[in-house]
Amino acid sequence: EPEVTQTPSHQVTQMGQEVILRCVPISNHLYFYWYRQILGQKVEFLVSFYNNEISEKSEIFDDQFSVERPDGSNFTLKIRSTKLEDSAMYFCASKGPTRSTETQYFGPGTRLLVL
Amino acid sequence: AQTVTQSQPEMSVQEAETVTLSCTYDTSESDYYLFWYKQPPSRQMILVIRQEAYKQQNATENRFSVNFQKAAKSFSLKISDSQLGDAAMYFCAYRSTQGGSEKLVFGKGTKLTVNP
Repeated sequence: EPEVTQTPSHQVTQMGQEVILRCVPISNHLYFYWYRQILGQKVEFLVSFYNNEISEKSEIFDDQFSVERPDGSNFTLKIRSTKLEDSAMYFCASKGPTRSTETQYFGPGTRLLVL
Repeated sequence: AQTVTQSQPEMSVQEAETVTLSCTYDTSESDYYLFWYKQPPSRQMILVIRQEAYKQQNATENRFSVNFQKAAKSFSLKISDSQLGDAAMYFCAYRSTQGGSEKLVFGKGTKLTVNP
């Protein structure tokens, strides 16, 4: 069964550094999402992406964050200048191929630690 | 804003027994979707079951069923004949159907342990 994959599984970075988290959504999906979960807290929505545009973003998704679909398979989340509070598990999800398909399929996550 | 509350941080059940995980939510909307996701250790979240709010009938998927009480804003998950492979974190989630939003709003999760 097709799965969403994410790389790396773990990333350690220094505060102020840029990180790029990568996701490969399910191949015929057209809707893409990023969520994060700070340790001990709820999974929180960051952003949704469709047709090469952000369709919705949360208050968390400020100017330090950006998303991109650089080619036909990858979907990336970039954090320009990481802060200690960006330490979290980041989940990618995809859905599709039609808007009426309701289930979001999640990847295994990338655990980001900012020192 | 919608909120989802899972009041049981941890639950345990004996193998082959039945367990019910609680979820309540707060919304002013009349149409929405509710989901239960399962996250085994070190694995991705997978959908267990989905309920459309406009449907009165409770959703069922094999050993998993829900008790959807719309007026009480309650959406509990019942796992029958529990198996060792059911051990996981279980997340309840809400999705609005209004304004084109597709974001899922999650509860904090319930860690389910299945004892042999």
